[in-house]
Amino acid sequence: KAGVTQTPRYLIKTRGQQVTLSCSPISGHRSVSWYQQTPGQGLQFLFEYFSETQRNKGNFPGRFSGRQFSNSRSEMNVSTLELGDSALYLCASSPVIGGTEAFFGQGTRLTVV
Amino acid sequence: QKEVEQNSGPLSVPEGAIASLNCTYSDRGSQSFFWYRQYSGKSPELIMSIYSNGDKEDGRFTAQLNKASQYVSLLIRDSQPSDSATYLCAVILYGNKLVFGAGTILRVKS
Repeated sequence: KAGVTQTPRYLIKTRGQQVTLSCSPISGHRSVSWYQQTPGQGLQFLFEYFSETQRNKGNFPGRFSGRQFSNSRSEMNVSTLELGDSALYLCASSPVIGGTEAFFGQGTRLTVV
Repeated sequence: QKEVEQNSGPLSVPEGAIASLNCTYSDRGSQSFFWYRQYSGKSPELIMSIYSNGDKEDGRFTAQLNKASQYVSLLIRDSQPSDSATYLCAVILYGNKLVFGAGTILRVKS
């Protein structure tokens, strides 16, 4: 069974640009969560999608958005990039929403210059 | 108070010893608890889940949960250098959010 797939693995963007990251969950998993990981803040919850609807949201500005498609694949978008957005963005999939184990992809390393 | 708290370490133990990692959480109603291991430059990997008070053993790993004290721990027996990593405690909090602690760095010295 294939794991969680995130693309791209690495990205370099300029301040002010926008970026879209992609996540394909484990087959049969319907919940996709996104996290930002930085050395100073650790793993911070961004949002969770289930059945194409955002079910939970963390404390991030509106520049961070996401969506989920009917095949459970999810995308995350960050607009007007700031230097502080440089981080490892991790996607995790679960069979159902909340209360169960989550499995992570390899992450997308975003560098904003 | 942080929602999920861990001592950042590093925790250093000699090879073959027991490593004890601790975590406290803020939501008394939490029911689901997880331990993840993250090697440098890699993504977190789930190693244990625990839902009921008491101990749960899986190989060299034992998770312990005390809901009354809002405390969860991970014991690693016969620690190996390959166990050196950051261990993340994660808790499903109110609103079904999976929230992570900052992680404890474990170093096993050979």
